[in-house]
Amino acid sequence: SAVISQKPSRDICQRGTSLTIQCQVDSQVTMMFWYRQQPGQSLTLIATANQGSEATYESGFVIDKFPISRPNLTFSTLTVSNMSPEDSSIYLCSGKGGSYNEQFFGPGTRLTVL
Amino acid sequence: DAKTTQPTSMDCAEGRAANLPCNHSTISGNEYVYWYRQIHSQGPQYIIHGLKNNETNEMASLIITEDRKSSTLILPHATLRDTAVYYCIVRVWGGDYGQNFVFGPGTRLSVLP
Repeated sequence: SAVISQKPSRDICQRGTSLTIQCQVDSQVTMMFWYRQQPGQSLTLIATANQGSEATYESGFVIDKFPISRPNLTFSTLTVSNMSPEDSSIYLCSGKGGSYNEQFFGPGTRLTVL
Repeated sequence: DAKTTQPTSMDCAEGRAANLPCNHSTISGNEYVYWYRQIHSQGPQYIIHGLKNNETNEMASLIITEDRKSSTLILPHATLRDTAVYYCIVRVWGGDYGQNFVFGPGTRLSVLP
C-alpha cells in the first residue's frame, strides 16, 4: 500500500491570505485527488490532480480559489487562496494505486481561518 | 457510481462482532463494494473490497448478498480502537478520470466498554 504524507498537518491563518498544502506519496500512483472535509461532515472531492496539466475540478470548486499542481507522479500541492473563515476544514490528499487499485489517504491538513 | 445507504450510527459492545450493513440496490455488474473507515482526526483507511464473493482479511469480513444489492461488513471482535465512521462505497474497478471514491455520510460505530 502507498503511504501518503501531508505538510503542514495543521495551520491557523488570517483571512485574505493563502496556504499551500503539500502531498507526497511514497510510490507511484495512477491518480491523485484532493478532498475537503468540513467539521462533522463527510469528504467532498475538490479536484483530480493531473500530472503535467491543469487539474480537473468538481462542481463548486474553481482553479482561482484552489490552484493545484502535480509536477510528477508522487507529488502534488493544493493552495487555498484568499482564505475566509468558511475555508476552515480538513484538506485530504488521496492517491489511487496499489494491488487492488484502491485509494489511499493522507492524514489531512487541519486549516483554521480567523 | 451507484448510491449507498447506511445507518447513521451503531453501537457495539467491546469483544462482540460488529455488523455494519450497506444497501446498494442500484449497483451495476462491474461495480465493486469498498469499505473504508475514518478514525477521528485521521484520513480514511482502506478495509476491504469485493465484487460478489465473500471476502476476509486481517481486519474484517465482507458478506455480499447473492443479488449484490446489499452487503455487511463484519468486525469479528470489536475493540475500542474500532470506534470510527465506516464508509461503504461502490465503484467501478480501475478507470481514469472520475473514478474516485464518492463518500456518503457513513455509519458512526461506537464500541462500548
